[in-house]
Amino acid sequence: NAGVTQTPKFQVLKTGQSMTLQCAQDMNHNSMYWYRQDPGMGLRLIYYSASEGTTDKGEVPNGYNVSRLNKREFSLRLESAAPSQTSVYFCASSEQGNTEAFFGQGTRLTVV
Amino acid sequence: KNQVEQSPQSLIILEGKNCTLQCNYTVSPFSNLRWYKQDTGRGPVSLTIMTFSENTKSNGRYTATLDADTKQSSLHITASQLSDSASYICVVSVSRNQFYFGTGTSLTVIP
Repeated sequence: NAGVTQTPKFQVLKTGQSMTLQCAQDMNHNSMYWYRQDPGMGLRLIYYSASEGTTDKGEVPNGYNVSRLNKREFSLRLESAAPSQTSVYFCASSEQGNTEAFFGQGTRLTVV
Repeated sequence: KNQVEQSPQSLIILEGKNCTLQCNYTVSPFSNLRWYKQDTGRGPVSLTIMTFSENTKSNGRYTATLDADTKQSSLHITASQLSDSASYICVVSVSRNQFYFGTGTSLTVIP
């Protein structure tokens, strides 16, 4: 009954460091998403994967890469972290793109 | 420009009272409209999804309405509880994987 699980929950990086945010869902959903949420702004789509084996850019993809490892897992990688990437990152999944989306608990990332 | 605007930005109400949150959008074409509840420090949780042909949808004490002609939606919360304190986010879908998020209404319910 886990739903969407994100790891880690918190992370502090130094500018230029790299890291991968992990996301896994156990609902057999086809579509998965990565969002960032910044104060005073709505959630913004970074990348999405409509189905296993496909990924597409969202609204703010610069500085990020993704991998849809299998149907369950969708990871987000920051190759060279910048302070502008300080944010809360949410992973979400849905059965199809236009059905109800389920979100993870979020990863709070600080880049110093 | 595709936009989703929510009002008010924040709201404080007494426990037990009703309230209505507004969402206006200029997104086109329209696929569906969703309301989410986001507790502090947690991910959003879906309350309702409405398509073009649906005017009203309820989920317990939450009732969402949609007027696709005027491009307005509202979320009505009945008999508010302390646990309703959260941010409520309106999301409009254009296509299968294209969404526009409002910035949310922060609701605080006080005893």
